[in-house]
Amino acid sequence: QVQLQESGPGLVKPSQTLSLTCTVSGGSISSGDYYWSWIRQPPGKGLEWIGYIYYSGSTYYNPSLKSRVTISVDTSKNQFSLKLSSVTAADTAVYYCARGVVVAATPSYYFDYWGQGTLVTVSS
Amino acid sequence: SYELTQPPSVSVSPGQTARITCSGDALPKQYAYWYQQKPGQAPVLVIYKDSERPSGIPERFSGSSSGTTVTLTISGVQAEDEADYYCQSADSSGTSVVFGGGTKLTVL
Repeated sequence: QVQLQESGPGLVKPSQTLSLTCTVSGGSISSGDYYWSWIRQPPGKGLEWIGYIYYSGSTYYNPSLKSRVTISVDTSKNQFSLKLSSVTAADTAVYYCARGVVVAATPSYYFDYWGQGTLVTVSS
Repeated sequence: SYELTQPPSVSVSPGQTARITCSGDALPKQYAYWYQQKPGQAPVLVIYKDSERPSGIPERFSGSSSGTTVTLTISGVQAEDEADYYCQSADSSGTSVVFGGGTKLTVL
């Protein structure tokens, strides 16, 4: 059974960089056609996809966040990470990491395993 | 930017059928997926590839697609089905993931 667990600071000051790590257990981050993804949800609002990384290191980001987002992978630790720079109060959200399953012969993918989520508050 | 449109809320009585729609211009070309989210919990996949049901998801959950609209149908709704439901798909290029705004299902 694959499990994902987010970790990182729960409070970040405005203009600073938000950093989170997702640790994957029960399966290798290097195996299979999976897009290791970050998704966030502001309090009381809907889901927003942030981006993904493939185990090889290739990435794709939400165009609306692209200028501030970096996702990286450490296959030796079975982890992937999110950095979001120049944060504001609008970046306050529950941040989820998730495994994206690629649908064969298509660019489409869906999320079958999710972490429990971690609330990050941006405040001075 | 590309958007998926869902009704904010749907209400049904126990035992009835709930239908939640999701509309988007790229849906004829892109698969749709549905997630159930209960308060304080991570989303759970209930339908993938428009109409496929993951193992462990009750048979009362089904999905369908017609043109630019996909529909999640919950037959014989139970109190435990009360939750927020989100559709997910991609833009026409298939590169950017998009979620619908979510629909709150209330079981009366």
